[in-house]
Amino acid sequence: DIQLTQSPSSLSASVGDRVTITCRASQGIHTYLVWYQQKPGNVPRLLIYATSVLRSGVPSRFRGSGSGTDFTLTISSLQPEDVATYYCQQYDSDPRTFGQGTKVEIK
Amino acid sequence: QVQLVQSGAEVKKPGASVKVSCKASGYDFLGFYIQWVRQAPGQGLEWMGWMDPKSGDTNYLQKFQGRVSMTRDTSVNTAYMELTSLTSDDTAFYYCARGVHYHDYWGQGTLVTVSS
Repeated sequence: DIQLTQSPSSLSASVGDRVTITCRASQGIHTYLVWYQQKPGNVPRLLIYATSVLRSGVPSRFRGSGSGTDFTLTISSLQPEDVATYYCQQYDSDPRTFGQGTKVEIK
Repeated sequence: QVQLVQSGAEVKKPGASVKVSCKASGYDFLGFYIQWVRQAPGQGLEWMGWMDPKSGDTNYLQKFQGRVSMTRDTSVNTAYMELTSLTSDDTAFYYCARGVHYHDYWGQGTLVTVSS
């Protein structure tokens, strides 16, 4: 099974800060990576698929990049509504593993 | 609009089974896989498996093999996930989600509580 390791596990940043979350795969997954956002008490929401394709309606401050084993989710200017836990998931092969999540808070 | 509406919360005793439904509307039910994901309280997301509503083909996470069954009733555009031999470790929110690669629509979640 492919393992996904996210870092950091949590972070606290100020409004307007640039935030970077990384997701490392235990083996190459091409660009078959997705990012989800889950706000407290809510259902996960698709943000980005195929590593870097922004889902329609997702603010442009979210950006995904990477390939192979190393991937990044960047929030260019953190907003209060971005407080959430972010998960990566690979769909290169079954089982479709998730990262353990990164909790983003406002300082 | 696309919707996945799941059945309500369940409380089960250890050793029992639970069957969660996921009714799809607003799109071609046969055209999109249904995945099941669960989330224990305060924990991360765990992929359980997928089902192809068109063929009925399934693929389960190995840890659930023999204990999970994902089925569908195409006459009512509904997918089902049944989990047997429940233990307290199965207490979680169970989500259905649409899509073979990425999941653009999710059900609202069904809380399954296993308690004696």
